[in-house]
Amino acid sequence: GNSVTQMEGPVTLSEEAFLTINCTYTATGYPSLFWYVQYPGEGLQLLLKATKADDKGSNKGFEATYRKETTSFHLEKGSVQVSDSAVYFCALSDWNQGGKLIFGQGTELSVKP
Amino acid sequence: GAVVSQHPSWVICKSGTSVKIECRSLDFQATTMFWYRQFPKQSLMLMATSNEGSKATYEQGVEKDKFLINHASLTLSTLTVTSAHPEDSSFYICSARIGQRGPQHFGDGTRLSIL
Repeated sequence: GNSVTQMEGPVTLSEEAFLTINCTYTATGYPSLFWYVQYPGEGLQLLLKATKADDKGSNKGFEATYRKETTSFHLEKGSVQVSDSAVYFCALSDWNQGGKLIFGQGTELSVKP
Repeated sequence: GAVVSQHPSWVICKSGTSVKIECRSLDFQATTMFWYRQFPKQSLMLMATSNEGSKATYEQGVEKDKFLINHASLTLSTLTVTSAHPEDSSFYICSARIGQRGPQHFGDGTRLSIL
């Protein structure tokens, strides 16, 4: 079946450090891939998405590239801020299964001043 | 755009009562809405898919009679936790999808505490 695996957290970085959160997936079809962010006590916000191989999603300085050959969708940001502290979820959506989102386990990011 | 409103944001009630949570898409129509449950420090678990005008599709292991879902219009889905008990305490999150293949947009969640 389809699944998403993220690197374990928590990830602790200093402000302005480079961020990478690894995400790999297993899918039988051609899924769309997403990164969502969850701030404490809130729901999820869509951060970025990619719908086909080699697409790059980007938003607010974050970016991720859909790599079919390595089944990966790693999240990167060149310079993190304290306000980026949150939990990040990688997810895939397989339209052959009604478009249900399958989430990774989430990676907590803590950015220190 | 693509705002999803969830109400209430926090509810505390006694064991045995029923609790209704509303999920509204404020600026778009959503044929499909989803209900998730999230335990502390964990990922989201899909409970059911709610389609406007038809019965919800529940995931395996989710009790239909316990978690009643109604999607009466293109902008509103409700989740009713019937005869709630302490083990039903959790963070419930809804999402709404734009069109057939759009991304899901999430509400801010409802923290349910059953005493």
